[in-house]
Amino acid sequence: ETGVTQTPRHLVMGMTNKKSLKCEQHLGHNAMYWYKQSAKKPLELMFVYSLEERVENNSVPSRFSPECPNSSHLFLHLHTLQPEDSALYLCASSQDFEGGPAEKLFFGSGTQLSVL
Amino acid sequence: TQLLEQSPQFLSIQEGENLTVYCNSSSVFSSLQWYRQEPGEGPVLLVTVVTGGEVKKLKRLTFQFGDARKDSSLHITAAQPGDTGLYLCAGGHSYGNNRLAFGKGNQVVVIP
Repeated sequence: ETGVTQTPRHLVMGMTNKKSLKCEQHLGHNAMYWYKQSAKKPLELMFVYSLEERVENNSVPSRFSPECPNSSHLFLHLHTLQPEDSALYLCASSQDFEGGPAEKLFFGSGTQLSVL
Repeated sequence: TQLLEQSPQFLSIQEGENLTVYCNSSSVFSSLQWYRQEPGEGPVLLVTVVTGGEVKKLKRLTFQFGDARKDSSLHITAAQPGDTGLYLCAGGHSYGNNRLAFGKGNQVVVIP
């Protein structure tokens, strides 16, 4: 148990659907992240929230929309996705975002997303 | 974005054998982390190294940070099936934020 919980674990959606991924952390951390993990590619940082404010948006298409209502919860809203968006979406948290070079990331188990 | 190259991409060995995997970059990092990711799970942090030449041990796993802080290795002694997983290295910098650069990973399979 890493203290970071993601739901759902698996999601299949059509290109016209709207769905949301949920992440909850029970560690009292101040920073939360969304990463995308595709086969044979490095983990790609999508969004970072620090103290509930978005501090990083790595040129992610607008069909991905993050939301951080409080420091414990993070959502990723999905709409009109493409098949190439199929991947494992990982949520992570750390104590702080600007805490120094060795902040530890605590990951959830991920949501395996398939877009048909 | 600094590129971290991990080699070999895939390694299959018998239980009890030793193995070493590598993480290399042309960039200097202030810190380097190793994570292990098991099937169906997220990565779990194993170790952080911050000093050039540093060696850290975690049971049968030995991690080394290169003297120039551009590369790292992970050595597993007497591998067990529980060591099976994707080993990810991630490099960080000291200029103030937790934006890590990840490699593609070393997929290790230990056959009983």
